[in-house]
Amino acid sequence: GIQVEQSPPDLILQEGANSTLRCNFSDSVNNLQWFHQNPWGQLINLFYIPSGTKQNGRLSATTVATERYSLLYISSSQTTDSGVYFCAASYNQGGKLIFGQGTELSVKP
Amino acid sequence: GAVVSQHPSRVICKSGTSVKIECRSLDFQATTMFWYRQFPKKSLMLMATSNEGSKATYEQGVEKDKFLINHASLTLSTLTVTSAHPEDSSFYICSAARTSGSYEQYFGPGTRLTVT
Repeated sequence: GIQVEQSPPDLILQEGANSTLRCNFSDSVNNLQWFHQNPWGQLINLFYIPSGTKQNGRLSATTVATERYSLLYISSSQTTDSGVYFCAASYNQGGKLIFGQGTELSVKP
Repeated sequence: GAVVSQHPSRVICKSGTSVKIECRSLDFQATTMFWYRQFPKKSLMLMATSNEGSKATYEQGVEKDKFLINHASLTLSTLTVTSAHPEDSSFYICSAARTSGSYEQYFGPGTRLTVT
């Protein structure tokens, strides 16, 4: 089945810095989503991005489907950006998402 | 929006009892819902796919008699942990996808189960 790998596993930033999180997937996908898991466990939808580029405020994402990777950009990071970021992908009409192992981001004041 | 709720958010039960967790899509219809399990500091692991009006599809290694799933309507799926044991303690999260349109999934806030 599809495999999803994220890097880096951990990232420590100073407030105001920019960062790039990467997600590699092993097969063609019809769904690629980025999430932020808050301290209470809720998964917040950041982007639904099986291909192309999207931006939402300080966050943007790009998926290059032909090369099987997606990138999440965080600019001017804030302490509230801390938490775990997951990407997840699915490749069939059943729709089940396979999650990467996550990137734990810590933004220091 | 696309809101998914779960109830209860937190439950503590004794070993040997059963616990039911509800997952509802509040403002859209969902033919398919999914149940995940997450251990501390780990990623989400898919347990099963819940289809409205038919039997759930379980992932390899997930005991279907232990984790009973019912998808009675287009807005409600339930997960029942039967004869719970301490090793079933975990964070359970459901998700739902709209019946039409994109494949985007929306997640509930999760249920933290502690079995004593």
